[in-house]
Amino acid sequence: QKEVEQDPGPLSVPEGAIVSLNCTYSNSAFQYFMWYRQYSRKGPELLMYTYSSGNKEDGRFTAQVDKSSKYISLFIRDSQPSDSATYLCAMSAATGFQKLVFGTGTRLLVSP
Amino acid sequence: DAGITQSPRHKVTETGTPVTLRCHQTENHRYMYWYRQDPGHGLRLIHYSYGVKDTDKGEVSDGYSVSRSKTEDFLLTLESATSSQTSVYFCAISEVQGAPGNTIYFGEGSWLTVV
Repeated sequence: QKEVEQDPGPLSVPEGAIVSLNCTYSNSAFQYFMWYRQYSRKGPELLMYTYSSGNKEDGRFTAQVDKSSKYISLFIRDSQPSDSATYLCAMSAATGFQKLVFGTGTRLLVSP
Repeated sequence: DAGITQSPRHKVTETGTPVTLRCHQTENHRYMYWYRQDPGHGLRLIHYSYGVKDTDKGEVSDGYSVSRSKTEDFLLTLESATSSQTSVYFCAISEVQGAPGNTIYFGEGSWLTVV
């Protein structure tokens, strides 16, 4: 069983929809949680960073962590065609990017 | 975009040949990383560097070596390429080791096909 599980999609939604992207994990020691966005044939870029449990909001994006359920989510409000990309979750038990464990990514398609 | 240049961006090579991928950064960041990305596996760390001549193994280091003789350059060498090393390789950099709020910046990727 992988430490981090993520549905590969694709997830297809119409423009303006609310999108929910999720990851589950098995290592209860994880406390740093990140979401990366990766456009086709590009490198990943950091979207959101959350420490421990709770919510964090940045514009149209909200990251949510539920450590009791070992479940993290990324919500995108008012989705746009430019949000079409693969979204990777990543997490670690300790600081140090060499400790990051990545999900396999969920491909999101937002149609006009 | 972070100043990271990977070369070559695309390469086809034969089984058994050595291959070197180069990562060049203009940010003067201390930490550099090599990842590979494969369907169904996500990003996996191959090797990383925490300074000139200071490197360490990652999760999938077998068959790979690295060198860092200058702050700005981090080389990944496949000593004898195999078909299982066909992948997309990403270089990444970070200013600090990973304190909360800091980030890791990825390059554009190098597509390697071993035939």
